[in-house]
Amino acid sequence: DQQVKQNSPSLSVQEGRISILNCDYTNSMFDYFLWYKKYPAEGPTFLISISSIKDKNEDGRFTVFLNKSAKHLSLHIVPSQPGDSAVYFCAASPLGKGAQKLVFGQGTRLTINP
Amino acid sequence: KAGVTQTPRYLIKTRGQQVTLSCSPISGHRSVSWYQQTPGQGLQFLFEYFSETQRNKGNFPGRFSGRQFSNSRSEMNVSTLELGDSALYLCASGSETGPADTDTQYFGPGTRLTVL
Repeated sequence: DQQVKQNSPSLSVQEGRISILNCDYTNSMFDYFLWYKKYPAEGPTFLISISSIKDKNEDGRFTVFLNKSAKHLSLHIVPSQPGDSAVYFCAASPLGKGAQKLVFGQGTRLTINP
Repeated sequence: KAGVTQTPRYLIKTRGQQVTLSCSPISGHRSVSWYQQTPGQGLQFLFEYFSETQRNKGNFPGRFSGRQFSNSRSEMNVSTLELGDSALYLCASGSETGPADTDTQYFGPGTRLTVL
């Protein structure tokens, strides 16, 4: 069963606009969430994280929002830049485990058009 | 600070053989995790080692095993290779020096294993 779901396999956004990537989870034991970016032939690169005690975390152009009641999180990138074109993975970790034993979504391929 | 390194980067094996992959974590990191990435299943957690002990384990058969050395370097072994084991194997290290909600795992570039 897919405990972490990214329902959009791909997303195309104009440069300078906002990119919104979505992620849903089913396991209520998850309490720590991360977003990673991945380029081909490279390992995932950490972007931003959020714990379940917060509903928003911001780092520069990246903001992650968490809606625990809906079991939904989203990543906002503003403004979007061509270098943001990559596959984005949402990941979740069980209660009290920090970043251990991550469960990943299937990824969303983001393409930023000039 | 050097990142997570994995060797070899590419590997070709035949069915029935065994393979050992190596991972060197970021200096000072004591936690090492392994993940398998395939087009069909995405990124899946294999196991995690901390201070030479396996602390967490994913849902993979016993053909997949690992170990961690006193210098935190880790190896992953797959015995009796099957075609379905062809994948990108990623290693990640974590520091766990801060509160749990600031933990982050840093990934290496991966080892691309092809089983023929």
